[in-house]
Amino acid sequence: KAGVTQTPRYLIKTRGQQVTLSCSPISGHRSVSWYQQTPGQGLQFLFEYFSETQRNKGNFPGRFSGRQFSNSRSEMNVSTLELGDSALYLCASSSSYNEQFFGPGTRLTVL
Amino acid sequence: GEDVEQSLFLSVREGDSSVINCTYTDSSSTYLYWYKQEPGAGLQLLTYIFSNMDMKQDQRLTVLLNKKDKHLSLRIADTQTGDSAIYFCAEIRGKLIFGQGTELSVKP
Repeated sequence: KAGVTQTPRYLIKTRGQQVTLSCSPISGHRSVSWYQQTPGQGLQFLFEYFSETQRNKGNFPGRFSGRQFSNSRSEMNVSTLELGDSALYLCASSSSYNEQFFGPGTRLTVL
Repeated sequence: GEDVEQSLFLSVREGDSSVINCTYTDSSSTYLYWYKQEPGAGLQLLTYIFSNMDMKQDQRLTVLLNKKDKHLSLRIADTQTGDSAIYFCAEIRGKLIFGQGTELSVKP
């Protein structure tokens, strides 16, 4: 089975722009979660989607949004980018409550 | 406290055992996890333990769980240079709550 894929792997944007990141989960997995990883804050939960519905949401501003499609692929969008949004964005997919498998991440740099 | 806590660094010699420790917060957490992150990569699920277990062994990895003290440890036997990475423990409370990560350095 192919693993979790994320595109693009690297992205450079400027402040004020918006960005869309994509995640394709492992085949058969219906749950997709997103996490932000920064040196200062560590790994923080953004949101989780299951069957196209947001099931859980972390403590991030409304500039961070996501969605999930009928094929379980997910996208997250960040609008009005700030310097502090520079991070590694990780997507995880799961088929059951107890196992989450992560993709390689998208490295976003905001200049 | 509300944070999952780990020591930040551990240095061992190749062939020795490594023990990475973690203190978690929620005694009702059903599963506890260990993830490995190599430079420039995502998180690799190493192993996990169900909260009603005390120990789980998987090849070179042994997980010990002390529920009374909310203490989780990961022992890596015969540590190799390829084990050099950052190791994260995590508990699940509707979402994964991660520790800060322990950077393991293995010296030849």
